[in-house]
Amino acid sequence: DAKTTQPTSMDCAEGRAANLPCNHSTISGNEYVYWYRQIHSQGPQYIIHGLKNNETNEMASLIITEDRKSSTLILPHATLRDTAVYYCIVRVAIDDMRFGAGTRLTVKP
Amino acid sequence: NAGVTQTPKFRILKIGQSMTLQCAQDMNHNYMYWYRQDPGMGLKLIYYSVGAGITDKGEVPNGYNVSRSTTEDFPLRLELAAPSQTSVYFCASSLTGGDYGYTFGSGTRLTVV
Repeated sequence: DAKTTQPTSMDCAEGRAANLPCNHSTISGNEYVYWYRQIHSQGPQYIIHGLKNNETNEMASLIITEDRKSSTLILPHATLRDTAVYYCIVRVAIDDMRFGAGTRLTVKP
Repeated sequence: NAGVTQTPKFRILKIGQSMTLQCAQDMNHNYMYWYRQDPGMGLKLIYYSVGAGITDKGEVPNGYNVSRSTTEDFPLRLELAAPSQTSVYFCASSLTGGDYGYTFGSGTRLTVV
């Protein structure tokens, strides 16, 4: 019972914004949306998280729709080093940080 | 600041052998986790701990054991290795229950032959 749906893969041109979508239509009111990425075979790296307001940090922006059924992770100026698998996770409990297959983002020169 | 350190980085085991995957963190994090990642798949939670002396099962605990005698260390034990345990194992830690993200180690690549 996957809580999130993401495209399998996406491409983005270097220097352009990368917009990664995530559907979480069954999200509950107290569940947060988290984004991580995994570069090659390294351990996943935390990017950002949010509940219902849009969030921004030095890495990315997170836009959550008003009904909270979907979100978009935005990398404003993608570089080749942003090529990775990006995971969208809906979480409420400590044992509920479940990493699905994610979206494989390829940034092309 | 080393973060989360996992050893060894690579290991080949024969069926039926045992081993311990080591994980240590120097950030004084209370929460620690073990995940496994099969080729081309996402990560699955094996065990987690909310503090020294407290551990609990995750999604795929069978064939594994853990202990948490100190805040810093969270070893994962494989008692009777099976080919199905061939995977990459990641340890992670967090200050709280992950509210501000997990810090992951670089992983241990285990092959059981």
